[in-house]
Amino acid sequence: EAGVVQSPRYKIIEKKQPVAFWCNPISGHNTLYWYLQNLGQGPELLIRYENEEAVDDSQLPKDRFSAERLKGVDSTLKIQPAELGDSAVYLCASSLVGGGPGEQFFGPGTRLTVL
Amino acid sequence: AQSVSQHNHHVILSEAASLELGCNYSYGGTVNLFWYVQYPGQHLQLLLKYFSGDPLVKGIKGFEAEFIKSKFSFNLRKPSVQWSDTAEYFCAVNAPTSGTYKYIFGTGTRLKVLA
Repeated sequence: EAGVVQSPRYKIIEKKQPVAFWCNPISGHNTLYWYLQNLGQGPELLIRYENEEAVDDSQLPKDRFSAERLKGVDSTLKIQPAELGDSAVYLCASSLVGGGPGEQFFGPGTRLTVL
Repeated sequence: AQSVSQHNHHVILSEAASLELGCNYSYGGTVNLFWYVQYPGQHLQLLLKYFSGDPLVKGIKGFEAEFIKSKFSFNLRKPSVQWSDTAEYFCAVNAPTSGTYKYIFGTGTRLKVLA
C-alpha cells in the first residue's frame, strides 16, 4: 500500500513569492490534515478536511494561507506571499476516520526555506 | 487550553540502558493517547496508542507506555534501547473539543543512543 505522498520535498523561495505544496493521501482515507512543524517543535494543525469539506481551519492564517481539496482526494496548500517566518516543514497526514481517535499516517513533509 | 508536555527535550543513552520518556497532558475528559516516532530521514510513524482498557499498552520494537489517569501521564518505556532507536519521539493527545476531536502534539524528545 502506498503511503502519503507529498511534493516537493524541498523548496527554497524568496520572501513575498508564492509557494504551493501538494499531498496525495492513502487511498480510501477520507480525512486529510495539513500540519506545520517548526524546528524543535511538534506538528501543529493548520487544517483538517473530511472529504472536500474543511472542518477545522481555525489555526490556518487565512490572510496568506489557503488550501483546497476539490475532489476529496488530493490537496494543495498555498502560501502567498511567503514570509521569512514561514520557513518550516509542512506535513500532510491522512486517516480513515476523522473527528475521532484514529491513527494518522504522515507523509515525508515539504521543507520550505524562505530567504 | 489543552496541551501536551514532554519534559525531556534531549536524551542520550548507551545501548542496553533503560528508557523512560515523560508525557503529560492537560485535559480532564476522555482522551486517546499516542506515541509517534520519527527516525532520521523518515516520516512520522505510530509507535503505540491507547484508547481504552488495559492502561499498559505495547507497541512496536519493544516499546510500551503506561496511561496513569490520575497523573495525566502517558510515559513511554523500553527496558533496553538499541542504537537503532535513535530518533525523535512525539507524544500526542486526541481529545474532543467543541464537538470534534483535536490532535495535539508535544514538542518532541530527541533520543540519541550511543553504540
